[in-house]
Amino acid sequence: AQSVTQPDIHITVSEGASLELRCNYSYGATPYLFWYVQSPGQGLQLLLKYFSGDTLVQGIKGFEAEFKRSQSSFNLRKPSVHWSDAAEYFCALSSGGSYIPTFGRGTSLIVHP
Amino acid sequence: EPEVTQTPSHQVTQMGQEVILRCVPISNHLYFYWYRQILGQKVEFLVSFYNNEISEKSEIFDDQFSVERPDGSNFTLKIRSTKLEDSAMYFCASSEGRGNYNEQFFGPGTRLTVL
Repeated sequence: AQSVTQPDIHITVSEGASLELRCNYSYGATPYLFWYVQSPGQGLQLLLKYFSGDTLVQGIKGFEAEFKRSQSSFNLRKPSVHWSDAAEYFCALSSGGSYIPTFGRGTSLIVHP
Repeated sequence: EPEVTQTPSHQVTQMGQEVILRCVPISNHLYFYWYRQILGQKVEFLVSFYNNEISEKSEIFDDQFSVERPDGSNFTLKIRSTKLEDSAMYFCASSEGRGNYNEQFFGPGTRLTVL
C-alpha cells in the first residue's frame, strides 16, 4: 500500500529565512508526487509535481522540490519565505494505476515577521 | 480565473439529520471528486464521478453517502443520516480529464460539524 508521511505538523520560520518541508513516501515503484498549498479560506492549490525526468522540479510562488529515490523523499524548499507563504502544505502521491492522490497529514507553516 | 466553489462554507447539523453539500466545478471539467479531512488527519478520497455515474469510491463512501449532478453545474454530496464522526472538512475537486496528467482543482471546502 502506498503512504505519505509529513513528519512535521508545524514549522515556524522568520520572514526571509529559507524553508524546507519534509515528505517521505512509501511505494514500490516510481510514484507521481505532488505538493499542494492551502491558504486560509482557500482550496488546495497545486504548487508543483514530479512525474519523471529531472529530479529537481520548479513550481509556482518560488517553490521547488527534489525527488530522492534513495531516501524516498520529496522535500519542498523555498530560499526566502514571505509572510504570505503562511499556510498548510500537503504532500501527495499517486501511482500509475490510480490517479487518486494519497495525501500526507499536512504541515502548517507559520511565518514570523 | 475559473475556480471550484462550495456552499455552504460551514454547516452545523444534529446527529441523524441529512445534509447536502454543494459544489460548482469548473465549467468545462468532466471529472468530479469529493475528499474529506477530519481535523488533524489526512485528506482522504471519498468518490469520483464521471458521465453521471460513480467511477471510483473508497471504503469510507458507504451507503450513507451519495453523489449527484442534478443539473449542468452543481455536484452534490449527500449524507443521509449524519454521525458524529462525519464531522470534517469536505473538499470538492474537478479535473478536465482523468489520470495523473490532469490536475485536480480543489474548492475551499465545507466544514461540517455534527452535534
